[in-house]
This record gives sequence, structure tokens and C-alpha cells, in this order.
Amino acid sequence: LAKTTQPISMDSYEGQEVNITCSHNNIATNDYITWYQQFPSQGPRFIIQGYKTKVTNEVASLFIPADRKSSTLSLPRVSLSDTAVYYCLVGDRGSTLGRLYFGRGTQLTVWP
Amino acid sequence: DTAVSQTPKYLVTQMGNDKSIKCEQNLGHDTMYWYKQDSKKFLKIMFSYNNKELIINETVPNRFSPKSPDKAHLNLHINSLELGDSAVYFCASSQRLAGGDLAKNIQYFGAGTRLSVL
Repeated sequence: LAKTTQPISMDSYEGQEVNITCSHNNIATNDYITWYQQFPSQGPRFIIQGYKTKVTNEVASLFIPADRKSSTLSLPRVSLSDTAVYYCLVGDRGSTLGRLYFGRGTQLTVWP
Repeated sequence: DTAVSQTPKYLVTQMGNDKSIKCEQNLGHDTMYWYKQDSKKFLKIMFSYNNKELIINETVPNRFSPKSPDKAHLNLHINSLELGDSAVYFCASSQRLAGGDLAKNIQYFGAGTRLSVL
């Protein structure tokens, strides 16, 4: 399994764009990249996933360079309610049999 | 309607007791999971079931016994509780186990059950 490395914490202010980068140097050909968000006292919630280039949904964008050794989760114009832990996961579609391996995640704190 | 619901939300008990946590999903998913989040916030998979069949047992002590009476339910029974079992336990489900359409592999989590063993 490809190991992921993310910053332990980040701070931002309301209205700013936040970019959280995840390194996964050993990503395999079949691996895809998924980001989850966890609020205090809640279970993780899926945000976005992708394989290469750029993916965008109503919540975030995911940028994956051509070498796929890193990925960046971009949150546009954050608000206080975006304060949460963000997890980057890398996994194979088949070999992990659905296992999700969560690392430490990045604690994002948004200040007023 | 809560998609993945767990009961109870809080569970406080003494060492040596036996307790159960229930999980139900109303998403029509085939696969369900149990995760444990310890005090350091590490989230680790414990079990997964696909169509009521055990797929993953991630070296969990046999004091932990999952039971899946049907696709919509995955309960977790814990015998002889120990102090180290104190954690938050999350149930999750996905439409399918793995492979194919990535969207069907997305896991939906419950709100968690905070277990405190005294």
C-alpha cells in the first residue's frame, strides 16, 4: 500500500482558499486517491476522489499531477464549518478489498 | 432518515462485561464495515462483510465477533471488555466491495459509538 504524508495541521481564515497537499510517492498504477473529512464526534465523510488530472465537485477540487506522486485538495472560500480533519487515502480498486487505511490526517482550523 | 445508524451512541461499562453495538444502513448497500478510532484519532478497519459474508478480519482479537443477520445490519459483539477497548467504533457501508465504478466503493460512515471501559 502506498504510504501517504500530509501536514498535521493547517490554519486559515474565513473566505480564503485552502490547499492541502498529500504526498504518495509509492502510488501504484491501479491506485486511486480519495479524500475524506471528519468533524468532531462524527464519522468520516467522503469528499472527492480521482485518478489523474483534476476533479471538481460542489465541495472541493482535487489536483493530481502527471506523476501522481502527490495530490492537492482545494477548498474554495472556507468557512468556520470547514474546520475538520481531512484524510488523504490511496488504494487499489481491487486488492485492498475495500479496506480504507486512514493516516493521521490534517487538522484544518478556520478562524473568523 | 439517517443512512448509517449506530446504537448506542455512548456506552460506558465495566471491565469484563459483554456488550453489543448495532449498525443498520438503509442505503441498500452490499458491504458493511467496522472501524475503531483510538484516543490518538487513528482510524483502523476491523471487519468487513459483503452480502452477509465475512471478507476482512484485520487481526482483531476473537473477543470481537461481528454478526450480519442481513445485508442491512452488521452488529458488533465484544466479550470480556478490556480497558484498551475504549475507543470510538464506526460502522460504514458501501454499495459494493471493490473494483469497477469508483463511486460504488465510496464508504458512508455512521456517527460512531463511544465506548468507555472502566
